Amino acid sequence: GAVVSQHPSRVICKSGTSVKIECRSLDFQATTMFWYRQFPKKSLMLMATSNEGSKATYEQGVEKDKFLINHASLTLSTLTVTSAHPEDSSFYICSARRGEGQETQYFGPGTRLLVL
Amino acid sequence: GQNIDQPTEMTATEGAIVQINCTYQTSGFNGLFWYQQHAGEAPTFLSYNVLDGLEEKGRFSSFLSRSKGYSYLLLKELQMKDSASYLCAVMDSNYQLIWGAGTKLIIKP
Repeated sequence: GAVVSQHPSRVICKSGTSVKIECRSLDFQATTMFWYRQFPKKSLMLMATSNEGSKATYEQGVEKDKFLINHASLTLSTLTVTSAHPEDSSFYICSARRGEGQETQYFGPGTRLLVL
Repeated sequence: GQNIDQPTEMTATEGAIVQINCTYQTSGFNGLFWYQQHAGEAPTFLSYNVLDGLEEKGRFSSFLSRSKGYSYLLLKELQMKDSASYLCAVMDSNYQLIWGAGTKLIIKP
């Protein structure tokens, strides 16, 4: 199977601090990774798409200076929430796709962020 | 271990009814989600079941049996636009999402 992990699974931080969330594809190489935010009504909002070795593509309305995404290797992408604010409290989910032409996305278990 | 099983692919005819099954084994249960995902797009939320029974929402219905670790998504009056992947996901006792691999639904005229 294709396994995607996220770390940490949950994090609590103070306002103004930065939090880094890691997304790893454990048994396959992911040329593309996606970052989503799950809202209370369960909908998933795509935040950005990251391709290994290039800059992430952010969706409209997502602040790229606030949500820093790095896809440094074919198995790791990181999302850093900078100057965290209570409004950033949410469930962040990543997914990974093997390569071009591969439709299937494999989803991670999510990271619950609470900003106090 | 934790796992979610759903069929890899299903084919149905326009106007017909199709049922996509999902069975799960997880450490704890805090709800089951169904999402629809068209190729190249983000998943769209369809349903969330946390209690046993059937939840109907237009042409789509979702059923849950916690004792059996089983859910299904029922799609009625199929339309060509329903061709997509359908993802089943369970939230476990740690509020982590365990995802199925998705069922690719092909609708034929």
